[in-house]
Amino acid sequence: GAVVSQHPSRVICKSGTSVKIECRSLDFQATTMFWYRQFPKQSLMLMATSNEGSKATYEQGVEKDKFLINHASLTLSTLTVTSAHPEDSSFYICSARAPLGTSGGAASHEQYFGPGTRLTVT
Amino acid sequence: AQKVTQAQTEISVVEKEDVTLDCVYETRDTTYYLFWYKQPPSGELVFLIRRNSFDEQNEISGRYSWNFQKSTSSFNFTITASQVVDSAVYFCALSSANFNKFYFGSGTKLNVKP
Repeated sequence: GAVVSQHPSRVICKSGTSVKIECRSLDFQATTMFWYRQFPKQSLMLMATSNEGSKATYEQGVEKDKFLINHASLTLSTLTVTSAHPEDSSFYICSARAPLGTSGGAASHEQYFGPGTRLTVT
Repeated sequence: AQKVTQAQTEISVVEKEDVTLDCVYETRDTTYYLFWYKQPPSGELVFLIRRNSFDEQNEISGRYSWNFQKSTSSFNFTITASQVVDSAVYFCALSSANFNKFYFGSGTKLNVKP
């Protein structure tokens, strides 16, 4: 089956620093990746959609200058939280969507979720 | 507007009891998909089932069963003979036909006590 990995799984950083989270599709090419944020005891909220080779589309209320998304290849998207603050502490989950007509381990067009990255900003 | 409602915030049962998790959705799309995911304390989303809007057949997988009723816009999930390992947060989700966006419910925390 299709596998999506995230690195790191946990990260602690100091307030004011930046942290990068990687999302990789391991056995399929993902033209589109999604980034979600989940606060404790809350649901997943879509932050942004990134398409390979183009700028990410951010959901309303998400600061694009704070959450930098780069989707440089068909298997890698990165989320950089810039100048992190304690209120950015959250669980960040990515998902990757296989393109239409794909073959292999991923079903065409379906989203596959990564295991998540727990960010703590002190 | 797309919306998923899971009215039950938290449910506690004793092992071997049956439990049903409710999910009600709203969408204007004629073609859509419904999902259930399990999120254990580790945080990783575990895919349980996907249903498309044209398939109203109920499904059973081991101790899990799902009841999809378009007439009431519901997609309920029943665990039969619950086990302690079933303790987790369960999310119901709705997506458009091209899987562009997922709309998650607020989740139901299930506590199964021995």
